[in-house]
Amino acid sequence: AQSVTQLDSQVPVFEEAPVELRCNYSSSVSVYLFWYVQYPNQGLQLLLKYLSGSTLVKGINGFEAEFNKSQTSFHLRKPSVHISDTAEYFCAVSDRIQGAQKLVFGQGTRLTINP
Amino acid sequence: DAGITQSPRHKVTETGTPVTLRCHQTENHRYMYWYRQDPGHGLRLIHYSYGVKDTDKGEVSDGYSVSRSKTEDFLLTLESATSSQTSVYFCAIHGQGATEAFFGQGTRLTVV
Repeated sequence: AQSVTQLDSQVPVFEEAPVELRCNYSSSVSVYLFWYVQYPNQGLQLLLKYLSGSTLVKGINGFEAEFNKSQTSFHLRKPSVHISDTAEYFCAVSDRIQGAQKLVFGQGTRLTINP
Repeated sequence: DAGITQSPRHKVTETGTPVTLRCHQTENHRYMYWYRQDPGHGLRLIHYSYGVKDTDKGEVSDGYSVSRSKTEDFLLTLESATSSQTSVYFCAIHGQGATEAFFGQGTRLTVV
């Protein structure tokens, strides 16, 4: 079974600083990777996804992630964060993109931006 | 928003009582899912549906049942609620061939 580990449960950073949220997944022949964001009292919203092709994936709100097959990682980065980026971030994996997309989520990383 | 409505948004119930949560979509999407969110666990899949009357179990299905009698509605039932089922429940949907799932706003359920 697939599994996802988010290495940091909380990440505090100052506004305009860079940030990296780390995600590792269990190895599989085919893997499709996602980052979702959850703002307070909201549902989840897709930030970006890796399905195939270029290992550097760009998403919304200036976020990007790099797929590293040898290290089984999919870390999320942003060069300069804003107060509005305060949220919880979830890394997720699926072993298929056809049919039912049963997502396996990591534990989540709470990103707090300090002024 | 992707046309997903969860009801109720908040509910407090007593141990041993039955509870039904509803997910309603206006997108005519084929696939619907129920997840629960708990601190330290992220989201875990309870049940999912791949069509009317077609459902299957997820990772944490014990104590839950589902039904989908029409495309737009996916019901999650706790036959006899327990305190361990206190959680935030999310419904998600996506269409055939789509690679992005859309999530509802969540239902916060407290079992006392």
